[in-house]
Amino acid sequence: DADVTQTPRNRITKTGKRIMLECSQTKGHDRMYWYRQDPGLGLRLIYYSFDVKDINKGEISDGYSVSRQAQAKFSLSLESAIPNQTALYFCATSTRDRAQETQYFGPGTRLLVL
Amino acid sequence: QKEVEQDPGPLSVPEGAIVSLNCTYSNSAFQYFMWYRQYSRKGPELLMYTYSSGNKEDGRFTAQVDKSSKYISLFIRDSQPSDSATYLCAMSGQTDSWGKLQFGAGTQVVVTP
Repeated sequence: DADVTQTPRNRITKTGKRIMLECSQTKGHDRMYWYRQDPGLGLRLIYYSFDVKDINKGEISDGYSVSRQAQAKFSLSLESAIPNQTALYFCATSTRDRAQETQYFGPGTRLLVL
Repeated sequence: QKEVEQDPGPLSVPEGAIVSLNCTYSNSAFQYFMWYRQYSRKGPELLMYTYSSGNKEDGRFTAQVDKSSKYISLFIRDSQPSDSATYLCAMSGQTDSWGKLQFGAGTQVVVTP
């Protein structure tokens, strides 16, 4: 079974709709992240969380919100979807491993906003 | 201007050739340098991790960091069709904190049999 899972894997929605993307992990990591990936722009950080009570904005948080329901669950919501939020969304987890911190990514959610 | 620049490719090479990838960056505070590999319709996975300047080798992969030139490279020797993927560089300036990563846009590599 995958250590980091994302649901749904694909989603088509309309402008103005509220949608939620979900992420679950079985790695036991305390840190979780949401990124979006766009062609030519790479991965950009939306929100991150170090533990259940900790939520922080990343580089591009406008139009998004998150909820850390448990150590293993981190959800991303688009309050009112717009077409330029069409992208590939990744959840990632990490924990400090001696001198380095490795981020483990989920398989991604492909979102299309019409 | 982006903090991390990476040629998007695609880079097409014949099987067995050496693949050479690179990234340049502008933030001199970056100290941790990573290469991730991303197969189509998959999430990125960590391939190589280096700290500060120097070389690191792992099997067919060699990562180089030149902090004086703000330039990092990844070399893949004896390339295989299974190496066909997008390679993303990532870097961080944090030491004892959480590892906020800046990613390059990724270079698509195609290894032809």
